[in-house]
Amino acid sequence: EVQLLESGGGLVQPGGSLRLSCAASGFTFSSYTMSWVRQAPGKGLEWVSGIYNSGDSTYYADSVKGRFTISRDNSKYTLYLQMNSLRADDTAVYYCAKSVSGHWDAFDIWGQGTMVTVSS
Amino acid sequence: QSALTQPASVSASPGQSITISCTGTSSDVGGYNYVSWYQHHPGKAPKVMIYDVSNRPSGVSNRFSGSKSGNTASLTISGLQAEDEADYYCSSYTRSSTLVLFGGGTKLTVL
Repeated sequence: EVQLLESGGGLVQPGGSLRLSCAASGFTFSSYTMSWVRQAPGKGLEWVSGIYNSGDSTYYADSVKGRFTISRDNSKYTLYLQMNSLRADDTAVYYCAKSVSGHWDAFDIWGQGTMVTVSS
Repeated sequence: QSALTQPASVSASPGQSITISCTGTSSDVGGYNYVSWYQHHPGKAPKVMIYDVSNRPSGVSNRFSGSKSGNTASLTISGLQAEDEADYYCSSYTRSSTLVLFGGGTKLTVL
C-alpha cells in the first residue's frame, strides 16, 4: 500500500526548532518530487517546500525561506523538514505529499499530517 | 505571492451541478496547464481530484471535471452527492521561486 507517515510534530516555543520526518512506503521514493504542505487552524492549504527526486533542487515559500530546510534520504525512504526560528504563525498541521510523476505540483499521495504548535 | 482566488462557499442540492472558479494571473494559472483540484474533508488527508487542468486520476468519479480559460480555472461537479460536501482547493504551478500556489479554498455544502 502506498503510504506516507509524518512524525515529529509537537509544542515548541517561539524561536525554537523542530524536525519533521515523513516515512514513505509502497512506491519507489527516489523517483518522485516530494513536498511539505501546511494548514493553519481555520485557514487554507499552503505549500511550504519541495525537493527534487535526487535532492539536488529545493524550493521554499517566501514565508519560510531562510528558516526551514527540506531534505531527503532516499536510502531510508524518508523526507525531512528542519524548522528553525519558529513563529506563532507557523502553527499548523504539516502534511508531506508525493507529486505525480514528472510534476512539482499535483500531489497524489498525502500523509495524515502532524501538528506543530508554536506557543509560549 | 498572493493565493489564488476562490469563492468562499458554494451550495446546491443533491443531483445538481456546481462550478468552483479559481482565478490567478498569467504567471500561474494562465501561464501553464498545471492546475490541480483537491477535495479535503476536515481531519483527513486531501485528495487530488483533477490535475493538469482536466486530467482525472484513476478512481476519481467522472462527475468531477476541470477546465481553464485565460487566468481562471474551474472545477465542475455534476450530480452532486452528500459525500461531495467538503472543502475544495485549487493549486497552480507558478513561475516564481514559490513554485506552487494554493487557492483560499471553497466550502461546498450539499443542501
